[in-house]
Amino acid sequence: NAGVTQTPKFRVLKTGQSMTLLCAQDMNHEYMYWYRQDPGMGLRLIHYSVGEGTTAKGEVPDGYNVSRLKKQNFLLGLESAAPSQTSVYFCASSLLAGNYNEQFFGPGTRLTVL
Amino acid sequence: LAKTTQPISMDSYEGQEVNITCSHNNIATNDYITWYQQFPSQGPRFIIQGYKTKVTNEVASLFIPADRKSSTLSLPRVSLSDTAVYYCLVGDGGYSTLTFGKGTMLLVSP
Repeated sequence: NAGVTQTPKFRVLKTGQSMTLLCAQDMNHEYMYWYRQDPGMGLRLIHYSVGEGTTAKGEVPDGYNVSRLKKQNFLLGLESAAPSQTSVYFCASSLLAGNYNEQFFGPGTRLTVL
Repeated sequence: LAKTTQPISMDSYEGQEVNITCSHNNIATNDYITWYQQFPSQGPRFIIQGYKTKVTNEVASLFIPADRKSSTLSLPRVSLSDTAVYYCLVGDGGYSTLTFGKGTMLLVSP
């Protein structure tokens, strides 16, 4: 049982390049989330999904797109990377909705946009 | 969204008890209080959750007064490995309300 895994762990992009971050969970969780963490800012929710085939915007969705084609995977895409997207990205999943349901986090992806 | 306020940082020594207080004056009736811990270069992990009174598990205790406008995370006899950022979350979920804030950086020294 690997929990939540993220690919890649590190990536350096040039401004304007695109990339996709992959999150996978093997706990059969319905809900999945993408956060970004910047120094001194805590974690901010980018997008989330309440089930296969559904996605919704979080607090800071601009510049990102997501897809949930399979229940176990949640992809975060950057179509045209900008330096402001330099951050650590965390994926999380939970069995059910709500603050009272524990979120399980992946190890993070450190992205640098030059 | 119930906004939370917690200290930016705290210092302690090994073996001491650490209490981190979180203020949430506008907590709603359906809101739970949840604490997460984050070590450097790792994702946050769930520590403890409560609704009212006291909750205890193998890691920590959570004290919630009757008015629920604040909560205190208590870590007994901390060790160096407890150095981490601790986040207080309040809400019933509505995903846009899952705000981690800046947390409290706890530094435990020998």
